[in-house]
Amino acid sequence: QQPVQSPQAVILREGEDAVINCSSSKALYSVHWYRQKHGEAPVFLMILLKGGEQKGHEKISASFNEKKQQSSLYLTASQLSYSGTYFCGTQTDFGYSGGGADGLTFGKGTHLIIQP
Amino acid sequence: GAGVSQSPSNKVTEKGKDVELRCDPISGHTALYWYRQSLGQGLEFLIYFQGNSAPDKSGLPSDRFSAERTGGSVSTLTIQRTQQEDSAVYLCASSRDRADGYTFGSGTRLTVV
Repeated sequence: QQPVQSPQAVILREGEDAVINCSSSKALYSVHWYRQKHGEAPVFLMILLKGGEQKGHEKISASFNEKKQQSSLYLTASQLSYSGTYFCGTQTDFGYSGGGADGLTFGKGTHLIIQP
Repeated sequence: GAGVSQSPSNKVTEKGKDVELRCDPISGHTALYWYRQSLGQGLEFLIYFQGNSAPDKSGLPSDRFSAERTGGSVSTLTIQRTQQEDSAVYLCASSRDRADGYTFGSGTRLTVV
């Protein structure tokens, strides 16, 4: 089942902060975050794993609430280069060592526009 | 290679023809994924390979779609008897393992006329 992202779109002035949320109805093994610019492939930002491990870019921060199956991506002091569509992707926790045995299911995306 | 390579970058085909899309993942990446993205839409999962086996092919939309991976490396996505609704960008991604971020290729833009 597809995770739900909110908001659908955000318009910010350069330097402002934004939070993008992602929620799932399933127990999760991991949450991924990607950014896609128009006409380009998605680019990996961060992965948050069940149990607390995180891997990703230093300037990106995110949280993962395992009990609520929710994740949030925090963009602070936004720059023009942050513009794009942000996707969260989730992997199911099957409750045994097979966690993450499925491909990512992506949300519909959040369109972020940064204005000078 | 340095990145995920997909070919062709663009493909125009007539309705009813078969097409093959190729993905060459990053060397050493054991996991490989196929997605498709229609214009202005999100990413639709198609199939996931771990090595040469496909533990998750739940996203293949019909039996016209098939994929294989050989030697734990190159993968081919085949669409038989193409339909206009198959028109989309087909993206391939790879990762070192299931607990790692994906690196996407630039995609193949398929247009069925």
